[in-house]
Amino acid sequence: IAGITQAPTSQILAAGRRMTLRCTQDMRHNAMYWYRQDLGLGLRLIHYSNTAGTTGKGEVPDGYSVSRANTDDFPLTLASAVPSQTSVYFCASSAEPLSPQHFGDGTRLSIL
Amino acid sequence: SQQGEEDPQALSIQEGENATMNCSYKTSINNLQWYRQNSGRGLVHLILIRSNEREKHSGRLRVTLDTSKKSSSLLITASRAADTASYFCAVYSGGGADGLTFGKGTHLIIQP
Repeated sequence: IAGITQAPTSQILAAGRRMTLRCTQDMRHNAMYWYRQDLGLGLRLIHYSNTAGTTGKGEVPDGYSVSRANTDDFPLTLASAVPSQTSVYFCASSAEPLSPQHFGDGTRLSIL
Repeated sequence: SQQGEEDPQALSIQEGENATMNCSYKTSINNLQWYRQNSGRGLVHLILIRSNEREKHSGRLRVTLDTSKKSSSLLITASRAADTASYFCAVYSGGGADGLTFGKGTHLIIQP
């Protein structure tokens, strides 16, 4: 079934550790996105990529980095995790930047 | 910063009744989208309405857009228990290069 695959589904991580959240899509979409969802705050955009080879900062980019080496993959890296990065992280993709987005089922990350 | 703001935050109705959720936003938009999120899952796109459109229908869903009031509404007719979920509005502003800006959502409960 076509869609977005995120891994891991959940993770508990010690503060200060490095962590990469994986995201792969098989729909050949040009644009991809990372959001975090926190209770009471809704979804906030972390980073985005409108096409392979390009990335941009969203609303809350600090502490996170991304790369887009090819069309299908869009990993999100926490260089040195902090407790405030405890959240549910969603990867999404869309055919073009203005198009409807398809979401993965999220990664639940707890930083202790 | 949060653009879309949904109202009410929570809504509980009887099965078969209609459910109306409202969304307000702050700046000019290219399009406005509504998404549904079931507990523990990713968001699912429901409907997109462009800034030059006033109303759109999709099955039991009806969306209206009033750009003069910077507001939108989502109507779900003849509700079913399976419609129980959180509903989010999201807007594309600017050139669409910065992803969607989501509201905090309306949690809808359909009582059987």
